[in-house]
Order: sequence, then structure tokens, then C-alpha cells
Amino acid sequence: EAGVTQFPSHSVIEKGQTVTLRCDPISGHDNLYWYRRVMGKEIKFLLHFVKESKQDESGMPNNRFLAERTGGTYSTLKVQPAELEDSGVYFCASSPGSLGGYGYTFGSGTRLTVV
Amino acid sequence: QQPVQSPQAVILREGEDAVINCSSSKALYSVHWYRQKHGEAPVFLMILLKGGEQKGHEKISASFNEKKQQSSLYLTASQLSYSGTYFCGTEKGQDYTNAGKSTFGDGTTLTVKP
Repeated sequence: EAGVTQFPSHSVIEKGQTVTLRCDPISGHDNLYWYRRVMGKEIKFLLHFVKESKQDESGMPNNRFLAERTGGTYSTLKVQPAELEDSGVYFCASSPGSLGGYGYTFGSGTRLTVV
Repeated sequence: QQPVQSPQAVILREGEDAVINCSSSKALYSVHWYRQKHGEAPVFLMILLKGGEQKGHEKISASFNEKKQQSSLYLTASQLSYSGTYFCGTEKGQDYTNAGKSTFGDGTTLTVKP
């Protein structure tokens, strides 16, 4: 079974530019999550999709971040325009269910560096 | 509010045991544990639902005390492969309001030496 795939693995962009991160969850997993880890701190929740719908986007830092999940399959997270504090590792995770009982399968993450 | 993990770091010799704790100030529905090696994805170890159950995964087991709102991860007879950062993730409450949204601790770095 293929795991959760994220692309790119690394991205270095200048402040003010736009970056789009992609996540392909495990096939059949309706639940897709984006998390971010900044500077060795905790893994922080960004948002949660159930199929193509946003279940919870309370963790999105501001309106420079836009997440979509086309047809309930892969998801993209766009940062526009990027700021220095957006640097960090962005993890995507998927799970078959959303209410307890299931752990996440994480992708390897995208390391974003804004310079 | 994120759970608090302790200790922040542990250094062991192969074969020694370790306990990592995860405490929350909020009522918890579930606690799940992950291990992450440098540059890799966090790997799911196990999940515990409220009810005080205990689970095991090879020589790694965990308990969840919902009254104390804490979970402990037990690593027995540690192996070199156990090295990494261990995270606990918690789901609050009992309903769909917070379902799926987990809050993670800062992580505990475990180093196992030969």
C-alpha cells in the first residue's frame, strides 16, 4: 500500500513569492489533515478535510494560506505571499476515520524555507 | 492547549527501559503516539481511547489514565532502532466537534547508545 506522499520535499522561496504544497493521501482515506512544525516546536494543526469538505480550518494562521482538496483526493496548500515566519515543515496526514480509534499516517513533510 | 511531554530528552544504553509521559489539562478522548526519525515521517505506534486501556507494540506499550488525563509510553529493553523523537497527540472531548483535530506535544528525544 502506498503511503502518504508529499511534494516537494524541500522548497526555498523568497519572501513575497507563492508556494504550493501537494499531498496525496492513502487511497480510500476520507480524512486528510495538514500540520506544521516550526523551529523544533510542536506539530501544530492547520486544517482537516473530510473528503472534499473542510471540516475544521481553525488552525490556519491567516488568509495567506489556502487549502483545497479536489474531488476528495489529493490536497494542495498554497501560501501567497509567503512570509519569513511561514518557514517550517508542513506535514500531511490521512486516516480512514475521524473520531478516535484511528492513528494518522503521515507523509514525510515538505520543508519550506522562506528567505 | 497542547499536551505536556516529559522528559524532553532521554539517553539510554541498549537494553535499558524508559518511560515517556504525556499530560493534558483537558479531558481527553484519545491519545496516540508516534515516533519520528530525523528527516522522516512520524510513524504511528498506537492509539488509546478513554477507558484506561493499555496497548502494546512489540516491546513498546502505553497506558491511558483518563481521570488523570495522562498517558505513558513504556519502552522495554530498548534497541538502537528505538532512537528518535516521540510525540503524543491528543483528541479532546467526546463529540465530533474536535474529532480528528489532534494537539501534539513538543516531543521527547530518545537516544539509545550501544
